[in-house]
Amino acid sequence: AQSVTQLGSHVSVSEGALVLLRCNYSSSVPPYLFWYVQYPNQGLQLLLKYTSAATLVKGINGFEAEFKKSETSFHLTKPSAHMSDAAEYFCAVMLTGGGNKLTFGTGTQLKVEL
Amino acid sequence: NAGVMQNPRHLVRRRGQEARLRCSPMKGHSHVYWYRQLPEEGLKFMVYLQKENIIDESGMPKERFSAEFPKEGPSILRIQQVVRGDSAAYFCASSAAGGNNSPLHFGNGTRLTVT
Repeated sequence: AQSVTQLGSHVSVSEGALVLLRCNYSSSVPPYLFWYVQYPNQGLQLLLKYTSAATLVKGINGFEAEFKKSETSFHLTKPSAHMSDAAEYFCAVMLTGGGNKLTFGTGTQLKVEL
Repeated sequence: NAGVMQNPRHLVRRRGQEARLRCSPMKGHSHVYWYRQLPEEGLKFMVYLQKENIIDESGMPKERFSAEFPKEGPSILRIQQVVRGDSAAYFCASSAAGGNNSPLHFGNGTRLTVT
C-alpha cells in the first residue's frame, strides 16, 4: 500500500521568501507523485507531477519539486512567494499500473504575509 | 470546453434524509472518480466508475453509500439516511482513460452539511 506524509499542516512565509512544503512517500513500487493546490471553496488544480522521467519537475506558477528516491521525498519549492500562492497544497501518490487512484496527504495550508 | 461540473455546490440535509450529488465529467471523459474530504483532512478515494460499471469501490462505506454512472447523464453519488459524520466536501474527478498517463481533472466539489 502507498501513502504520503506532509510535514507541517500550516506553513507561513513572507512575500518574496522561499516556499518549501515537505512530502515523504511510502510505496512498494516506483510511484507517480503529484502536487495539487486548492483555493478556498474550489476543487484541486494540478501543479506538477513526477512520472519517472526527470527527477526535477517544473510546474505551473513557478513551483517545482524534486524526486529523491534515497530520501523517499518529493518536496515542493518556489524561490519567491507571492500573495496569490496562499492556498492549501496536497501531495499525492499513485501506483504505476494501478489505474488513476490517488492517495493524498493531509495537506499543508500556506500563508503568505507582507 | 467546460470542466468537471458538480452540483449542487452546497447541500444541506437533515439527519435521516437522502443526499444526491451529481457530477458531469469533462467532455470526452468516460472515467469518473469520487473523493471525500473531511474537515482538516486530505481527500480520500471512494469509488471509480466507467460508464455503467463500477471499477473500484474499495473506499466506499459499506452501508448507505452508492454510486452510479449511467450510459446517459451524470454520475450520481447517493447517500441514504445521512448522519452528521457525512458532512464533508465531495469531489468528483474525471479522466479520458483509466491509465496513469491520463490526467485527472477535478470539479469544485459539493459541500454537504448534515444538520
